[in-house]
Amino acid sequence: ETGVTQTPRHLVMGMTNKKSLKCEQHLGHNAMYWYKQSAKKPLELMFVYNFKEQTENNSVPSRFSPECPNSSHLFLHLHTLQPEDSALYLCASSQRGQVSSYNEQFFGPGTRLTVL
Amino acid sequence: QQPVQSPQAVILREGEDAVINCSSSKALYSVHWYRQKHGEAPVFLMILLKGGEQKGHEKISASFNEKKQQSSLYLTASQLSYSGTYFCGIDDRGSTLGRLYFGRGTQLTVWP
Repeated sequence: ETGVTQTPRHLVMGMTNKKSLKCEQHLGHNAMYWYKQSAKKPLELMFVYNFKEQTENNSVPSRFSPECPNSSHLFLHLHTLQPEDSALYLCASSQRGQVSSYNEQFFGPGTRLTVL
Repeated sequence: QQPVQSPQAVILREGEDAVINCSSSKALYSVHWYRQKHGEAPVFLMILLKGGEQKGHEKISASFNEKKQQSSLYLTASQLSYSGTYFCGIDDRGSTLGRLYFGRGTQLTVWP
């Protein structure tokens, strides 16, 4: 595996279900991100992890719970979601460090989530 | 916090040029450009840093006007493969913490 992988690629769940999205980066990066992409809306940053520590929670509802057990893996645990949470969830990673470094983000293919 | 991109959509013939603009209401540390094809992940194109450094694609260029708080992406002699949605992401903190705010995107369609 290379780059950033995400599983599953598609997920359909009911509002009472609990599911998890998984992201794995094979790039040796130290920062990982969750983004939400809805139709006709900009990419919305949800969470940022640096060296496994959460450094950003962009006012995300508590029904989304991230977990970063190590710098290569990132999970997004989902419970009691709403239909408006249906979207493409993208994971990304980058090499953070020096302020002057480039820090481009590499994205995974995303998980298309549908909440019924 | 979200940057404004213009135009929202562009339709070109192969070989024509296009400019996509990204404006912010806040002072910028860096601007990132990405392209996303339908059903695929966004792919990094360019990053421009305050002070003039940049890194990116060989055939795509961009400018960063710190004073005007805006960036422009220049697509010259467009190819069919350039079709997709272009996003700019802005970093207004210049910190090591990593946070980008993305624009709504510009949909570019190149016809043969």
